[in-house]
Amino acid sequence: GDSVTQMEGPVTLSEEAFLTINCTYTATGYPSLFWYVQYPGEGLQLLLKATKADDKGSNKGFEATYRKETTSFHLEKGSVQVSDSAVYFCALLGGTTSGTYKYIFGTGTRLKVLA
Amino acid sequence: DTGVSQNPRHKITKRGQNVTFRCDPISEHNRLYWYRQTLGQGPEFLTYFQNEAQLEKSRLLSDRFSAERPKGSFSTLEIQRTEQGDSAMYLCASSPEAPYGYTFGSGTRLTVV
Repeated sequence: GDSVTQMEGPVTLSEEAFLTINCTYTATGYPSLFWYVQYPGEGLQLLLKATKADDKGSNKGFEATYRKETTSFHLEKGSVQVSDSAVYFCALLGGTTSGTYKYIFGTGTRLKVLA
Repeated sequence: DTGVSQNPRHKITKRGQNVTFRCDPISEHNRLYWYRQTLGQGPEFLTYFQNEAQLEKSRLLSDRFSAERPKGSFSTLEIQRTEQGDSAMYLCASSPEAPYGYTFGSGTRLTVV
């Protein structure tokens, strides 16, 4: 079945450092790919998405490119801030037998940014 | 539109008790989903409703779990005879017919003691 694998955390960086969180996927067909962020005590927030190969999703300085040839969707940010400390989830949205769509999430990567 | 609303935000219960959670989706969304997120893991799909019909259930949804969506509006998720392994965040989401516009609620955190 479909699956998402992302790098284990925690990732600890100093403020203004460059961030990369790796994500690879296995899927039949061509799913849409997403990054979600979860701040402590809060629900999931959509960070960015890409719906087809070579698309680049971007938001709040974060970006990720849908690479079909490497089945990857790595998250990057050029200069992280303390406020970026959170758990980041890579996910794909795939079809189901009942004709709807459901998410397959990775296990999450905790990011801690130090001042 | 206030988004997807879930109540309660937190629930602590004793093992063996029954609990019920409520989800109010975005009003124009006819599709509703439940996911479960255990500590240190990503959310996992539990079940899906289109209007009032429950069209798909994950094998994760044991016999102790039941979900309803009467009249195709709000949904409830009931867990009977709770076990410590049921401790998790239960997330509700809704979407329109198209796959995008999927919106998650803030979740109900269940702790079974």
